[in-house]
Amino acid sequence: GAGVSQSPSNKVTEKGKDVELRCDPISGHTALYWYRQSLGQGLEFLIYFQGNSAPDKSGLPSDRFSAERTGGSVSTLTIQRTQQEDSAVYLCASTKSPTPKETQYFGPGTRLLVL
Amino acid sequence: AQKITQTQPGMFVQEKEAVTLDCTYDTSDQSYGLFWYKQPSSGEMIFLIYQGSYDEQNATEGRYSLNFQKARKSANLVISASQLGDSAMYFCAMRRSGTYKYIFGTGTRLKVLA
Repeated sequence: GAGVSQSPSNKVTEKGKDVELRCDPISGHTALYWYRQSLGQGLEFLIYFQGNSAPDKSGLPSDRFSAERTGGSVSTLTIQRTQQEDSAVYLCASTKSPTPKETQYFGPGTRLLVL
Repeated sequence: AQKITQTQPGMFVQEKEAVTLDCTYDTSDQSYGLFWYKQPSSGEMIFLIYQGSYDEQNATEGRYSLNFQKARKSANLVISASQLGDSAMYFCAMRRSGTYKYIFGTGTRLKVLA
């Protein structure tokens, strides 16, 4: 595809339910990032993938959050037993390679609302 | 610890005028990259401009330029000839050489007035 795509664009769920958020990076991009952006805030780093491996999971806020990437392409962020404080926009980004000058290309985000 | 500070939560500028958005950073590294992103109300983050710590010239991309003052650890974004479409949130970010993690500031909301 031409850019990073994310689905769903919006998700409303009830507290305690599990949700899966999907990210499809730009073809050929080896690095993939997940961020969380709460209303009016900056971006909070969640996790980074290089290929299928995740060298840094330190940004995941709790063990209810997990992510995987298969085939070096699509990634899924899963939030189990959602809480109201999980409500935010979840942004995915990809880069061709993890070199300093390489900018990230962002998807449109998934807006998650936990009732 | 690495940190990005954007002290202006909101800014107004008249259409066709220039505006400067402030960004200061804190790092002990010598090699790093600085980025500016624009986030319109649609939510998508758009890359604007990049400055490497060893670049001697200030980066420019069309109407965007980066006023890089390494000794002061500042990387201010200058938008010339503001347009209504420039109204958005603007984020400054930093990435250390050899790492993959980007650190973002809290952003500045710019409103361009007609």
